[in-house]
Amino acid sequence: AQKITQTQPGMFVQEKEAVTLDCTYDTSDPSYGLFWYKQPSSGEMIFLIYQGSYDQQNATEGRYSLNFQKARKSANLVISASQLGDSAMYFCAMRESTGNQFYFGTGTSLTVIP
Amino acid sequence: DVKVTQSSRYLVKRTGEKVFLECVQDMDHENMFWYRQDPGLGLRLIYFSYDVKMKEKGDIPEGYSVSREKKERFSLILESASTNQTSMYLCASIEPEDSQGGNTIYFGEGSWLTVV
Repeated sequence: AQKITQTQPGMFVQEKEAVTLDCTYDTSDPSYGLFWYKQPSSGEMIFLIYQGSYDQQNATEGRYSLNFQKARKSANLVISASQLGDSAMYFCAMRESTGNQFYFGTGTSLTVIP
Repeated sequence: DVKVTQSSRYLVKRTGEKVFLECVQDMDHENMFWYRQDPGLGLRLIYFSYDVKMKEKGDIPEGYSVSREKKERFSLILESASTNQTSMYLCASIEPEDSQGGNTIYFGEGSWLTVV
């Protein structure tokens, strides 16, 4: 079974609007971390936000917030007030406390329309 | 800041050539990884290493080998390059995890390999 599932291959959003990128995960480990990364066309992976499985509140970092619904095993990324520079691939990832691996989803390509 | 450096950004190699992709990190991380990224498939783990001279196969190790002679350097080797190995290769390293699987993964800039 896939550890991380991103069901949206591509998304479009109008500039200044908010957008939600979906991510669901699968783990039996009670302790885990969830991450979102941005990859512009240049190829580098940029860390955006982290959510620990025991965190009571949703993580926020500037215009990024993580909508963490533990019972549903979902960790959606919300980008508020989209900017043209937000156009990129976005990857959801998970790290279990019992291992050294990161598991990545297949990514969502976000295009911000002027 | 953590820095992960991949020696080659763009390479073009011929089928059958031996290819070395080098990766160096400067934060004394024990765990290092090589991923391959293809459109629609995301990042797939080729090999990882949790210590010098230690290596583990990832999800797609066929056609690849690795070398970790020093802690800071993790090399990916294509023994005989084939056209289906044309891809973008990402090296990464991580700190030991905290109790919630935290601590992020640090990536190099990527190596775009074309095999002709």
